[in-house]
Amino acid sequence: SQQGEEDPQALSIQEGENATMNCSYKTSINNLQWYRQNSGRGLVHLILIRSNEREKHSGRLRVTLDTSKKSSSLLITASRAADTASYFCATSLTADRGSTLGRLYFGRGTQLTVWP
Amino acid sequence: KAGVTQTPRYLIKTRGQQVTLSCSPISGHRSVSWYQQTPGQGLQFLFEYFSETQRNKGNFPGRFSGRQFSNSRSEMNVSTLELGDSALYLCASSPGARETQYFGPGTRLLVL
Repeated sequence: SQQGEEDPQALSIQEGENATMNCSYKTSINNLQWYRQNSGRGLVHLILIRSNEREKHSGRLRVTLDTSKKSSSLLITASRAADTASYFCATSLTADRGSTLGRLYFGRGTQLTVWP
Repeated sequence: KAGVTQTPRYLIKTRGQQVTLSCSPISGHRSVSWYQQTPGQGLQFLFEYFSETQRNKGNFPGRFSGRQFSNSRSEMNVSTLELGDSALYLCASSPGARETQYFGPGTRLLVL
């Protein structure tokens, strides 16, 4: 079963607008990572946020993590047409689940379309 | 630093055949993981190797196997291919457990 689920499934915005994607997960995590994928190609790593962190920034990206609600959000500010892609959240479970070391659990992704 | 490389990039096979996919991790990374991506099931974990040992395996049949060599390069093998094995196979490397995983471009396998 999917550990993480992104919301919305699809998002369509104009260039210059902000895009917000959400991710919810079910069990305790060690960290959460966001990835981007263009048209069925490889995944590009965006940000990793650990369970003891609440917010991280990288350029136009801002990620928040609320472990009490088991949710995370990815904000892309001032979107560009080149940001058009699928965005996935992936969780790494906590240390007491030793058998899952190194395994990432992915959601279904949010398809973001940015119109020029 | 060179990224994760996967070969071949595209493959067409027929049912019943077997296939071997290769992954070269980022230099210095000892952990290699494999994922299968399909439209229906999304991204599914296959297995993870660390220092030539399989540390973790996903819920796939025994037809799916893998190994890691002493230089951290990894291969995965699928025997007796089925139509449902058509997918994008992604390899990821990381320095260690629960670190950032960097993905390669994938191998797209089509089974006819």
